[in-house]
Amino acid sequence: DTAVSQTPKYLVTQMGNDKSIKCEQNLGHDTMYWYKQDSKKFLKIMFSYNNKELIINETVPNRFSPKSPDKAHLNLHINSLELGDSAVYFCASSRITGVDEAFFGQGTRLTVV
Amino acid sequence: AQTVTQSQPEMSVQEAETVTLSCTYDTSESNYYLFWYKQPPSRQMILVIRQEAYKQQNATENRFSVNFQKAAKSFSLKISDSQLGDTAMYFCASYNNNDMRFGAGTRLTVKP
Repeated sequence: DTAVSQTPKYLVTQMGNDKSIKCEQNLGHDTMYWYKQDSKKFLKIMFSYNNKELIINETVPNRFSPKSPDKAHLNLHINSLELGDSAVYFCASSRITGVDEAFFGQGTRLTVV
Repeated sequence: AQTVTQSQPEMSVQEAETVTLSCTYDTSESNYYLFWYKQPPSRQMILVIRQEAYKQQNATENRFSVNFQKAAKSFSLKISDSQLGDTAMYFCASYNNNDMRFGAGTRLTVKP
């Protein structure tokens, strides 16, 4: 049983499109995250979300929005995709925001052409 | 804002030897948490070790241990008896006050 699963694993799309990446965790964790890893492997947190608050990294464009239908899911919606959005996106979860071990999904490689 | 610096982009070590990866951080908070994560070629990030800043004792997990120097804001990772499966990117990270920061990573290669 995969603890944190995200789909799709690979996504190739054209500039200007809108796309979503899905994430599900079966660990019963209260907090979920989205991270972006660029081509130089630099990892940056985009969002953290629990049932009480959404914390947004101020550098994330508002074309990116997380949507949580329930505690086990945190999907990432991206509007009007740009070339610079090409990266690997990781979903993760933890029991308590930030202080506990985060369990990561296998990543989604997004390529915008 | 806090920063995390890993000054060694790449390192290599012979199998069975010991290697130390460096990490320094800068935060104005008194309570924070430090992590080392490993990212093997499979891409999935895995926690290696975690340290709570208010604990003076260095964390250890089997062959992995840290040297936490709070005054110097240093958090190095020591890998003993290196194994081929340790080949990966290693990221140092710091969390406080709803802010999680990662270093740029160190690519470690374990040579047979």
